[in-house]
Amino acid sequence: GESVGLHLPTLSVQEGDNSIINCAYSNSASDYFIWYKQESGKGPQFIIDIRSNMDKRQGQRVTVLLNKTVKHLSLQIAATQPGDSAVYFCAEVHNAGNMLTFGGGTRLMVKP
Amino acid sequence: KAGVTQTPRYLIKTRGQQVTLSCSPISGHRSVSWYQQTPGQGLQFLFEYFSETQRNKGNFPGRFSGRQFSNSRSEMNVSTLELGDSALYLCASSGGLAGVWNEQFFGPGTRLTVL
Repeated sequence: GESVGLHLPTLSVQEGDNSIINCAYSNSASDYFIWYKQESGKGPQFIIDIRSNMDKRQGQRVTVLLNKTVKHLSLQIAATQPGDSAVYFCAEVHNAGNMLTFGGGTRLMVKP
Repeated sequence: KAGVTQTPRYLIKTRGQQVTLSCSPISGHRSVSWYQQTPGQGLQFLFEYFSETQRNKGNFPGRFSGRQFSNSRSEMNVSTLELGDSALYLCASSGGLAGVWNEQFFGPGTRLTVL
């Protein structure tokens, strides 16, 4: 698809399994961290966010974990479905919420 | 409610030319941000406009510029195109309230190819 890069790490999972996508961030002063999903031919779509004073946040089938000690963010997707196949990006929020710094992205492939 | 729209969706230009891309934000949103997406550099922030003023700017050369109109629609311009400007240009709109995280809604992007 036009929106995905050629050099992305890829995670391949079986349908129904849980997926864990990881991200390392750089700025310990970031206020928010966000996960986006980008499908082929589309712009990034918001999945879930977490404030820097939290360790964990849950949404529908997704959980985000934040480890500020090692500057690590993860996205867990429960019962992965074929529709979850996409590129996933983490992003940090800078400048009072008006600028996003994106990570490199991970391609998730779900095998039926 | 209509989403963020970007025009054109695809564009082919040659080196040295200039290009203008357009973005219409979600109704009621006053902030428009622009991002460049390439395989090598990923997603990078270009600039953000709020109430017709550039409020934030990324690390791109002056060939990249933008503006915002009173109806919040935004355009970005790239002059003297280079091969490396080939990318997907994404626009995102948000409420733009200062000091808080505003969820950004992305458009489908404009795919620019420079030959």
